[in-house]
Amino acid sequence: GNSVTQMEGPVTLSEEAFLTINCTYTATGYPSLFWYVQYPGEGLQLLLKATKADDKGSNKGFEATYRKETTSFHLEKGSVQVSDSAVYFCARAFGGYNKLIFGAGTRLAVHP
Amino acid sequence: DAGVIQSPRHEVTEMGQEVTLRCKPISGHNSLFWYRQTMMRGLELLIYFNNNVPIDDSGMPEDRFSAKMPNASFSTLKIQPSEPRDSAVYFCASSTKTGNEQFFGPGTRLTVL
Repeated sequence: GNSVTQMEGPVTLSEEAFLTINCTYTATGYPSLFWYVQYPGEGLQLLLKATKADDKGSNKGFEATYRKETTSFHLEKGSVQVSDSAVYFCARAFGGYNKLIFGAGTRLAVHP
Repeated sequence: DAGVIQSPRHEVTEMGQEVTLRCKPISGHNSLFWYRQTMMRGLELLIYFNNNVPIDDSGMPEDRFSAKMPNASFSTLKIQPSEPRDSAVYFCASSTKTGNEQFFGPGTRLTVL
């Protein structure tokens, strides 16, 4: 099939804690993979992406590595801030026309 | 660039009324996507266009929903007649031929009473 599965939230952390949000995908090939972030009251924004196996996407202290062996693209950050509180969506490209398949989203709440 | 523009940002209407949501994609983008987001169902792809032509409308929930893209800089999503269960945030997104990332608008929050 063609799907994206990410860990259920909410994830609640204290400031400066380490963050991992798991994401796995199913695909017959090696699609581009993405993490999007949605802050309250806003649309989704691209956080990072990786277009081929073993690529590492990074942005704003967040990282994710394209692992074809485990079909995973886990999101990590070494030290979260209150301002990172948002909903995070994992996605994979599907077919042509830049269509994306999104996971269900994981809500992150960071407390001071 | 102004990004993807959606209007209105908020819409409150009564059941049975017609609702029209509008989207202006980023200039030069040739693909446009309409999504619906609710707590219960998450983010759903309704329909998408390429070069103003509808490619896949299988996500449109019912015949009450229709979408058009008369030119490269404008698209509408219409609901007629609207029902309370249509209450959601509707997002428009656009993308270029290369790069395959989508750029989202701020959304329209629709409330049907």
